[in-house]
Amino acid sequence: NAGVTQTPKFRVLKTGQSMTLLCAQDMNHEYMYWYRQDPGMGLRLIHYSVGEGTTAKGEVPDGYNVSRLKKQNFLLGLESAAPSQTSVYFCASSYGAASTDTQYFGPGTRLTVL
Amino acid sequence: AQSVTQLDSHVSVSEGTPVLLRCNYSSSYSPSLFWYVQHPNKGLQLLLKYTSAATLVKGINGFEAEFKKSETSFHLTKPSAHMSDAAEYFCVVSEGGYSTLTFGKGTMLLVSP
Repeated sequence: NAGVTQTPKFRVLKTGQSMTLLCAQDMNHEYMYWYRQDPGMGLRLIHYSVGEGTTAKGEVPDGYNVSRLKKQNFLLGLESAAPSQTSVYFCASSYGAASTDTQYFGPGTRLTVL
Repeated sequence: AQSVTQLDSHVSVSEGTPVLLRCNYSSSYSPSLFWYVQHPNKGLQLLLKYTSAATLVKGINGFEAEFKKSETSFHLTKPSAHMSDAAEYFCVVSEGGYSTLTFGKGTMLLVSP
């Protein structure tokens, strides 16, 4: 039981390049989330999914797209990377959306955009 | 709307002394509250959570937190700090629904020998 895994762990991009971050969970969770973490800002929600084939915008969605083609995977795409997207990206999943449901986090992807 | 304020950005303690990390919250409903820990270059790990059962919540590694509704606080404590406790700690509030985790800005705990 690996929990939540993220690929890659590190990435350096040039401005304008594109890339996809992959999140996978083996807990059969319905809900999945993408966050970004910036110094002194805590974590902010980018996009989330409430089930296979569904996605929705979070607090800071601009410049990102997501897809949930399979229940266990949640992809985050950057079509044209900008230096402002330099951040650490975390994926999370949860069984439900009640306030009592715990979100389980992956180890993160450190992205640098030059 | 919900919000979280972690009152200290950094806390420094000596090994073996008590730890207190302060968190105040604001919520229109009866929220759940969480503390997560993040060790350097690692993901977030759940320490403990409050879900309207007992107001004193015990977590992993000897940490505990007390929910005080009258003070809208959820401070994290540990009787005796260990070097391995050095990390960043996040207080989180949730009212439920699809996207309702709100994170505090984090408190960095520094432990000196």
